[in-house]
Amino acid sequence: SSELTQDPAVSVALGQTVRITCQGDSLRSYNASWYQQKPGQDPVLVVYGENNRPSGIPDRFSGSSSGNRASLTITGAQAEDEADYYCNSRDSSGNHYVFGTGTKVTVL
Amino acid sequence: QVTLRESGPALVKPTQTLTLTCTFSGFSLSTSEMCVSWIRQPPGKALEWLALIDWDDDKYYSTSLKTRLTISKDTSKNQVVLTMTNMDPVDTATYYCARVYSSTWYDAFDIWGQGTMVTVSS
Repeated sequence: SSELTQDPAVSVALGQTVRITCQGDSLRSYNASWYQQKPGQDPVLVVYGENNRPSGIPDRFSGSSSGNRASLTITGAQAEDEADYYCNSRDSSGNHYVFGTGTKVTVL
Repeated sequence: QVTLRESGPALVKPTQTLTLTCTFSGFSLSTSEMCVSWIRQPPGKALEWLALIDWDDDKYYSTSLKTRLTISKDTSKNQVVLTMTNMDPVDTATYYCARVYSSTWYDAFDIWGQGTMVTVSS
């Protein structure tokens, strides 16, 4: 399978925790990476591998996976976390990459 | 500091071939596990992976666009070129290049260019 499915939108109260999920068969074999894209801006890598953050990404962002599902958790969401989030992984063949359908996160 | 910059035409006509160049600095595409990828995003829509070329000159393409895409690199110039044939208005999008670190354990599109908007219209 070459699809990664995400919920279209989620909302979270300021300071609360939100989990964004990504589902696809290839996630049983390959780790997901996660990208944040704020309106009018370029995507930014926030989590990769089992649970790694690039330099400069706050530790409120964390990743996990189980079976065919990967998750990005924002613990203590801030107003600046309002953005679109995309997962990415290889497809089941391992020779192609695929981005998820994207999740719009609204911080209330 | 790693940077990538996309360049190419802002407007192409239907059926024409699009040629985009990604010029990068701060890393070498000859280094093991280093790759450059192209991704696009139609206005208001999701990211779509297009192609990737790795340090060993192996090339990988989106299954749905494979027949229209060619990716190549010029290591001496620090450039990666993507060509897409037979352009159609549905190909209107912002086209990004990104550095990809690809290892046994994970892949990470860690640095992105600012993107270049391409409109397909007669």
